[in-house]
Amino acid sequence: EAGVAQSPRYKIIEKRQSVAFWCNPISGHATLYWYQQILGQGPKLLIQFQNNGVVDDSQLPKDRFSAERLKGVDSTLKIQPAKLEDSAVYLCASSLGQGRETQYFGPGTRLLVL
Amino acid sequence: GQQVMQIPQYQHVQEGEDFTTYCNSSTTLSNIQWYKQRPGGHPVFLIQLVKSGEVKKQKRLTFQFGEAKKNSSLHITATQTTDVGTYFCAEGNTGKLIFGQGTTLQVKP
Repeated sequence: EAGVAQSPRYKIIEKRQSVAFWCNPISGHATLYWYQQILGQGPKLLIQFQNNGVVDDSQLPKDRFSAERLKGVDSTLKIQPAKLEDSAVYLCASSLGQGRETQYFGPGTRLLVL
Repeated sequence: GQQVMQIPQYQHVQEGEDFTTYCNSSTTLSNIQWYKQRPGGHPVFLIQLVKSGEVKKQKRLTFQFGEAKKNSSLHITATQTTDVGTYFCAEGNTGKLIFGQGTTLQVKP
């Protein structure tokens, strides 16, 4: 079974530029999550989708971050414009459903904002 | 909001020594999940604890959930170099995982 796929794996941009990340969850997984992991910290949930609907985006900085999962499968996370403090690893995870389901993480996208 | 605190932040051990990381919360946890993240890698699910006082074992790893469901621990017996990484506890209820800061384990061969 293929795991969670993410691209790109690395991205370097200058502040105020825009960037987008892509995630393809495990086939059949209804729930998709985007996490931000700053160096030396645990992952922090940005947004959670159930199929193509948003379940929780309370910690998403909506003035600059946006995410969508239009067809309930793939998802994109965008940052516009980027700030220095957005430098982090952006992890996508998926699970069969909500609740206490095991979450499977992708390899992440490492973003460096200069 | 809900917070889980993890200690220690770092631990250096000699290969063969034991290792323990602790996860604490000021409020009752619905469940605790443990993840391992290798250097440069992504979190990988290890186990989930749900019941008060629950103890689960995976080979050299022993996971415990406190009686009051406010703390949890992960104990590794006779560490090996393959155990190197950061171990996270996370509280999850409606799917939203709240991670601790993690304990980074270094093992000297």
